[in-house]
Amino acid sequence: GAGVSQSPSNKVTEKGKDVELRCDPISGHTALYWYRQRLGQGLEFLIYFQGNSAPDKSGLPSDRFSAERTGESVSTLTIQRTQQEDSAVYLCASSQGVGSAEGEQYFGPGTRLTVT
Amino acid sequence: DAKTTQPTSMDCAEGRAANLPCNHSTISGNEYVYWYRQIHSQGPQYIIHGLKNNETNEMASLIITEDRKSSTLILPHATLRDTAVYYCIVRVRSTGFQKLVFGTGTRLLVSP
Repeated sequence: GAGVSQSPSNKVTEKGKDVELRCDPISGHTALYWYRQRLGQGLEFLIYFQGNSAPDKSGLPSDRFSAERTGESVSTLTIQRTQQEDSAVYLCASSQGVGSAEGEQYFGPGTRLTVT
Repeated sequence: DAKTTQPTSMDCAEGRAANLPCNHSTISGNEYVYWYRQIHSQGPQYIIHGLKNNETNEMASLIITEDRKSSTLILPHATLRDTAVYYCIVRVRSTGFQKLVFGTGTRLLVSP
């Protein structure tokens, strides 16, 4: 079946502008994660959604970052007043979540954000 | 705080077996060994996981030592498409919240 998809694949924006990144998880996956990966570095956890529970926002680096998810479908990550240090690849992952035999995460291709 | 150590890089000839080691000497009894890889410009890809028995799937084999302090990921017939950074992590297997924390991984270069 279809994997995790993300859009746009690349985004170039000017410092101070707002951006919105989109993630479509695998159908039926109740858990959804956002990560950030700076060039040459490991994954940085941002936020986690599980079904209708309150999201875990403990990884969001500042109040400029927010994310929403409608039910168990699409999620959007919004970055307000972008800064150059926000430049990174933003990765979305989904997993079958609670009640399933697997917790493995399946990643999308990412959105490469460049703030000029 | 990835709790694992891996060589920074390895080379392998196409068609040969690639054996990627990982040390996890502080692994707890309920922690599994997971392997992911990340091909350039793509998101991480799950490969395999195991607890104490050796595991095999269509992508790779995982050999875990009896004391569980180290493991080896084996790609039996490496291809050029296997060139990637390979990450070994240990974590409790759970269907709940599990943020992934990758170390620096091993950069595998498969050459013709």
